[in-house]
Amino acid sequence: GENVEQHPSTLSVQEGDSAVIKCTYSDSASNYFPWYKQELGKGPQLIIDIRSNVGEKKDQRIAVTLNKTAKHFSLHITETQPEDSAVYFCAATGTSGTYKYIFGTGTRLKVLA
Amino acid sequence: SAVISQKPSRDICQRGTSLTIQCQVDSQVTMMFWYRQQPGQSLTLIATANQGSEATYESGFVIDKFPISRPNLTFSTLTVSNMSPEDSSIYLCSVAHSAAEKLFFGSGTQLSVL
Repeated sequence: GENVEQHPSTLSVQEGDSAVIKCTYSDSASNYFPWYKQELGKGPQLIIDIRSNVGEKKDQRIAVTLNKTAKHFSLHITETQPEDSAVYFCAATGTSGTYKYIFGTGTRLKVLA
Repeated sequence: SAVISQKPSRDICQRGTSLTIQCQVDSQVTMMFWYRQQPGQSLTLIATANQGSEATYESGFVIDKFPISRPNLTFSTLTVSNMSPEDSSIYLCSVAHSAAEKLFFGSGTQLSVL
């Protein structure tokens, strides 16, 4: 069935370094790929998204890249700060409808001061 | 985006009881969903809340256990019935506007069942 794999499950970086989280999806019909940040005790917050007709999108310190051929997409955070520490989820739309999302398993990012 | 208010934010319940979670949105939205997030896990879709009709449940979730109401375009409730410790999770309301695919989440309800 439809599946999204996410790696790594945990990631520790020094403040100021970059962090990269990778996802692979199985459904070639997926055309929308959002990323969410979830802080402790809060709901997931949409931080950036990309559609299948675009290869890269950037918003200040975060960027997302998409390789449709390989069915990979990645989140890049540069100049990491302690407040970037959170759990990050990738997602992809499934074939059964635009609104049905398949979520990755999450990456716990810890930025060390 | 949308402002999504979910309550209660957390609760501790006894086995065998039921809890109703409310979700209020500050604007009319086409789609409302309920997700479950088990401890340390990803998000699993429970059902799509349909306005004025029965919710559409995902595989593994049934109406008797998770009855859902959606009387209008800004409000929905999820009830967790006859609770057991396995129901201890975060329950999340989410919404999407008709014009875009962006999905927004409420702050969640942390449920612990003793």
